[in-house]
Amino acid sequence: DAGVIQSPRHEVTEMGQEVTLRCKPISGHDYLFWYRQTMMRGLELLIYFNNNVPIDDSGMPEDRFSAKMPNASFSTLKIQPSEPRDSAVYFCASSLGGARDTQYFGPGTRLTVL
Amino acid sequence: EDQVTQSPEALRLQEGESSSLNCSYTVSGLRGLFWYRQDPGKGPEFLFTLYSAGEEKEKERLKATLTKKESFLHITAPKPEDSATYLCAAVAQGNKLVFGAGTILRVKS
Repeated sequence: DAGVIQSPRHEVTEMGQEVTLRCKPISGHDYLFWYRQTMMRGLELLIYFNNNVPIDDSGMPEDRFSAKMPNASFSTLKIQPSEPRDSAVYFCASSLGGARDTQYFGPGTRLTVL
Repeated sequence: EDQVTQSPEALRLQEGESSSLNCSYTVSGLRGLFWYRQDPGKGPEFLFTLYSAGEEKEKERLKATLTKKESFLHITAPKPEDSATYLCAAVAQGNKLVFGAGTILRVKS
């Protein structure tokens, strides 16, 4: 298996622009997680899905952030409008059985908002 | 509030110098404790899962242990390729992982 796939790997945009991050989980995994990693706050859970349904989005920082999972093999995290404080590395992870099961992380998307 | 604290923040070792990393947690009803390794520019890579106090897991030069309040990652005779950031995470209420800030390990030859 190719593992969790994320795109793009790097994104540089200007404040106010819309940003869309993409994730393809490992085939057969029922859970998908979006995390954000910064030096100040470490690795934080933003939202997670079970069988394509959002279960907990309490980590989503603001209404500017939204996430969708239209099918079992694809998810997006969108930021609109983007702000400089959104600059971070965004990771997608997937697992078979939720947080008690091993989560496999993608390579991440490094987002820089100027 | 569920919290995971790792120490030290950074650790420099000579090749072959064994040591331990600490992860203390305050999570009501621990449902699992994970250790991950993260190399620069990459996503966290799974190392171990521990579910109950007294449990131990080993892999090559690494050994993870768990008590009711903390977990240790013991590194025996480390090599330069063990240099990485080691992350600890606890399964908290709401079926979510709460991560510690990590320990940056540097092993010099």
